[in-house]
Amino acid sequence: AQSVTQLGSHVSVSEGALVLLRCNYSSSVPPYLFWYVQYPNQGLQLLLKYTTGATLVKGINGFEAEFKKSETSFHLTKPSAHMSDAAEYFCAVSGVSGGSNYKLTFGKGTLLTVNP
Amino acid sequence: DTGVSQNPRHKITKRGQNVTFRCDPISEHNRLYWYRQTLGQGPEFLTYFQNEAQLEKSRLLSDRFSAERPKGSFSTLEIQRTEQGDSAMYLCASSPAEVRGAVWFGPGTRLLVL
Repeated sequence: AQSVTQLGSHVSVSEGALVLLRCNYSSSVPPYLFWYVQYPNQGLQLLLKYTTGATLVKGINGFEAEFKKSETSFHLTKPSAHMSDAAEYFCAVSGVSGGSNYKLTFGKGTLLTVNP
Repeated sequence: DTGVSQNPRHKITKRGQNVTFRCDPISEHNRLYWYRQTLGQGPEFLTYFQNEAQLEKSRLLSDRFSAERPKGSFSTLEIQRTEQGDSAMYLCASSPAEVRGAVWFGPGTRLLVL
């Protein structure tokens, strides 16, 4: 069984400040981990993913996330927030093999607000 | 690559009516998924197709729900005898078979059952 917990349903930062969105997962198999972003009135878009290999992964729009197995975490960061980053962010996990490798389990999402 | 498209984008219906949604995946993707998203929640998996075969259905998908993917191209999701609890955003996604987990989502169909 897999689950995802996103700490903080709403995060507010100032433009230019560090963005940190927290995600912890639970998985009985080695996980694949993802961050998706949902802009208003748009579908979810993949930001970045961790499969195997390097634990620090870089995504689009300057975001990156680090897989920490010992902490079962996959936090999303961006050094300097931009107004256009305002959106809802979802962390997700899928299994590596077998019947679960196609199915995503999502967290409840974190709404990011960027203040001028 | 025109992306995943869904129609209609919005649907308002009365309780007890049947509704059908359509999803057109990215043409070269042989996997297709339906998810449901309610307010304040992340998307929840409903069902999955590989080509025309429906390989898994979530327990969330009651017998009032049926999904098809004839010829392995577009897919339809039908809800019979709608209930107010069916009000949600219905998301379709697709992916190539060799890309595990990462999927391309459509814009969704927002259903409101009055």
